[in-house]
Amino acid sequence: DVKVTQSSRYLVKRTGEKVFLECVQDMDHENMFWYRQDPGLGLRLIYFSYDVKMKEKGDIPEGYSVSREKKERFSLILESASTNQTSMYLCASSLHSLGQVEQFFGPGTRLTVL
Amino acid sequence: GESVGLHLPTLSVQEGDNSIINCAYSNSASDYFIWYKQESGKGPQFIIDIRSNMDKRQGQRVTVLLNKTVKHLSLQIAATQPGDSAVYFCAETLSSGGSYIPTFGRGTSLIVHP
Repeated sequence: DVKVTQSSRYLVKRTGEKVFLECVQDMDHENMFWYRQDPGLGLRLIYFSYDVKMKEKGDIPEGYSVSREKKERFSLILESASTNQTSMYLCASSLHSLGQVEQFFGPGTRLTVL
Repeated sequence: GESVGLHLPTLSVQEGDNSIINCAYSNSASDYFIWYKQESGKGPQFIIDIRSNMDKRQGQRVTVLLNKTVKHLSLQIAATQPGDSAVYFCAETLSSGGSYIPTFGRGTSLIVHP
């Protein structure tokens, strides 16, 4: 059974803290993605990576950074958490192959910044 | 169907009825269109996709219709069941060297009454 796992389901942090969200996939996928999901706004892409040590900005990268040191792991970093980063964070992975559009999602991390 | 704004569009149906969820997309150059289902507390799950050179594709109990003239996509669910209750997202995607970066709609909540 293919799997994308995220390190925490729920996380509470204080303003100004550095926050790490970890994502691991066991499908040997080249592509990995970080989204945030807010009510009524759908999924918005923060960053994605199509290879180890490669990263590309998505639609809303401000306030975030990412790290991809190993193929199976993609980390999202909030350098200094702010209350407007309270959200659901979803990680996804996909194959790098023509016609393979399906993304596999993790269960999400609900982050609250106080 | 999907619309701009913070309120999630909602479709309520009776068990056994057919459901139609609509989506307007924006980029006429998109080459794939995808539907995802997100149940409460879970990440989105792939349902079906359709390539831009097709106008209809059928899966198990689901049919996706694509009208490129008006940039409209729909998901039809036959004999809707309580287990179909979820938020449904459409996504359009462009290929970029074998990677597909989807842009998601805001979602439609489907509520199935027994």
